[in-house]
Amino acid sequence: TQLLEQSPQFLSIQEGENLTVYCNSSSVFSSLQWYRQEPGEGPVLLVTVVTGGEVKKLKRLTFQFGDARKDSSLHITAAQPGDTGLYLCAGFLTTDSWGKLQFGAGTQVVVTP
Amino acid sequence: DAGVIQSPRHEVTEMGQEVTLRCKPISGHDYLFWYRQTMMRGLELLIYFNNNVPIDDSGMPEDRFSAKMPNASFSTLKIQPSEPRDSAVYFCASTRGGFYGYTFGSGTRLTVV
Repeated sequence: TQLLEQSPQFLSIQEGENLTVYCNSSSVFSSLQWYRQEPGEGPVLLVTVVTGGEVKKLKRLTFQFGDARKDSSLHITAAQPGDTGLYLCAGFLTTDSWGKLQFGAGTQVVVTP
Repeated sequence: DAGVIQSPRHEVTEMGQEVTLRCKPISGHDYLFWYRQTMMRGLELLIYFNNNVPIDDSGMPEDRFSAKMPNASFSTLKIQPSEPRDSAVYFCASTRGGFYGYTFGSGTRLTVV
């Protein structure tokens, strides 16, 4: 059982549509990160959120950290084929050191032209 | 910066053989991690080092797996003897501190036949 549950597991949309990916846990995290992984490559960091309620924007991507620091969401506006990839949320438990990043199982996003 | 460098990119070996995976972290990164990724289990932390010292190896599956970090610029993950269930993509990652995010290598795809 993973500490971070991501939903949905798979998302297929048309170019121009919006999408939201969710990351939930019953545990409290000191910070949470989102990564994107493309085929044949390692995950690449997109953002780190630290404060409960924090919202960060990265071009068409909007990241939110829940008030209680137990959940997060990633919203993509007007998705493009280049947004295709495996989106992973990951967090540091408040009880763990900076060394143990807990990963969710990921959401596979496919954006078709 | 060349990023985290892993070798080989692909490895096919027969059951029972010894396999050694290699990693060169980013210079100045004090933390090094070994992860394994499969469809079934996602990204699993195997072991991590801080300043070349193993801190947590609780994710190492069994005694067949061992990892070393003889200096700040090199680490190995060894499997001896290898088994078909070890087939996975193995990632090495490094960071100067968790808040800054992990930088992953491109991974080694291991197939044990």
